[in-house]
Amino acid sequence: AQSVTQLDSHVSVSEGTPVLLRCNYSSSYSPSLFWYVQHPNKGLQLLLKYTSAATLVKGINGFEAEFKKSETSFHLTKPSAHMSDAAEYFCVVSDLTYGQNFVFGPGTRLSVLP
Amino acid sequence: ETGVTQSPTHLIKTRGQQVTLRCSSQSGHNTVSWYQQALGQGPQFIFQYYREEENGRGNFPPRFSGLQFPNYSSELNVNALELDDSALYLCASSPGTGLYNEQFFGPGTRLTVL
Repeated sequence: AQSVTQLDSHVSVSEGTPVLLRCNYSSSYSPSLFWYVQHPNKGLQLLLKYTSAATLVKGINGFEAEFKKSETSFHLTKPSAHMSDAAEYFCVVSDLTYGQNFVFGPGTRLSVLP
Repeated sequence: ETGVTQSPTHLIKTRGQQVTLRCSSQSGHNTVSWYQQALGQGPQFIFQYYREEENGRGNFPPRFSGLQFPNYSSELNVNALELDDSALYLCASSPGTGLYNEQFFGPGTRLTVL
């Protein structure tokens, strides 16, 4: 069965500094991987997805993630944080074990300090 | 293009009652998934419907049931409500069950069980 670990429940950065949100996964098959963001009182929005075409994936709002199979990791990064990036971030794995079942990590809350 | 919509926005029920939540999928999408998001946690997969048939189910008891209609809209029914059923219920649609298909999420229905 799939599972996702997000190593930090809360990350705090200063505006303009880099962001690193860590994600490790386990899957019995070749998975697809996603990062979603959830702003307060708003729906989940896709940031980026890994589709096996390239290990470095670029997403919206300057975010990117690198798939490392040997480390079973899919960490999310951004070179320079903006106040509007403050939100909850979820790493998601799917491998079609139970339909197109998305398995979400517990989430990382990102705070951006002025 | 209309996104995923859910109704109602909020709902308050008492223990033992039954509830029906509704979801309209995005235009062109034939797959709907339901998730339960408890406060401070990541969404948990309940089940998925593809072309009116259940296509996978998570670890939820049978009192959680669903339906998908010919227009691909969907309902989630929960019988014999328990206090622990209080959560945000998210519906997501996708254009199929392929491994790399993104799921588009609605804003959710907040269910409170007293």
